[in-house]
Amino acid sequence: GAVVSQHPSRVICKSGTSVKIECRSLDFQATTMFWYRQFPKQSLMLMATSNEGSKATYEQGVEKDKFLINHASLTLSTLTVTSAHPEDSSFYICSALTSGGFSYEQYFGPGTRLTVT
Amino acid sequence: QKEVEQNSGPLSVPEGAIASLNCTYSDRGSQSFFWYRQYSGKSPELIMFIYSNGDKEDGRFTAQLNKASQYVSLLIRDSQPSDSATYLCAVIKASNTGKLIFGQGTTLQVKP
Repeated sequence: GAVVSQHPSRVICKSGTSVKIECRSLDFQATTMFWYRQFPKQSLMLMATSNEGSKATYEQGVEKDKFLINHASLTLSTLTVTSAHPEDSSFYICSALTSGGFSYEQYFGPGTRLTVT
Repeated sequence: QKEVEQNSGPLSVPEGAIASLNCTYSDRGSQSFFWYRQYSGKSPELIMFIYSNGDKEDGRFTAQLNKASQYVSLLIRDSQPSDSATYLCAVIKASNTGKLIFGQGTTLQVKP
């Protein structure tokens, strides 16, 4: 399958600071990437759809000014958690979409565990 | 009604048995169906996808799709303790290109 990387894998930051997470598709170009958040023992929650060269589309209830998404190239999307608070502590996972004709397949990055103290 | 429904389990099977995981979906026009495996603390890993009615086999895994009944299942033959994980069913609805709708996942426990 396709390879997606995320960096950093784990980050601890102080309340009020901002954190940037990078998501890269390593062996394919992805015009669309997705950002998810997962709390312990819960399923993935889609936060936003990141489209290369255009503004991200946020799911209902997700603050676009708090979770800044930039998809500047076909292989890189970034998520910046601004003014982080302890309730933002979570597992953030990106995925990249490959598409060919009829099929769409999403491949996930390894995730970033964010802890806000 | 949830758009994609799975029994959260846990489903417990002995080593070597067949594990059967089921999923139903509400959008009759859905076209694409996926099974992901997620180990605790890790991100999901794509293990199977299926688009057409019938069975699709890949090694010990078989995905089954029945669009008329709106269900998709995953069979794992010769289950191993390393198969113990949460299995997520995901669907791409007819109206969305690429966006996955996930079920809540089924936890599988394979006992040695």
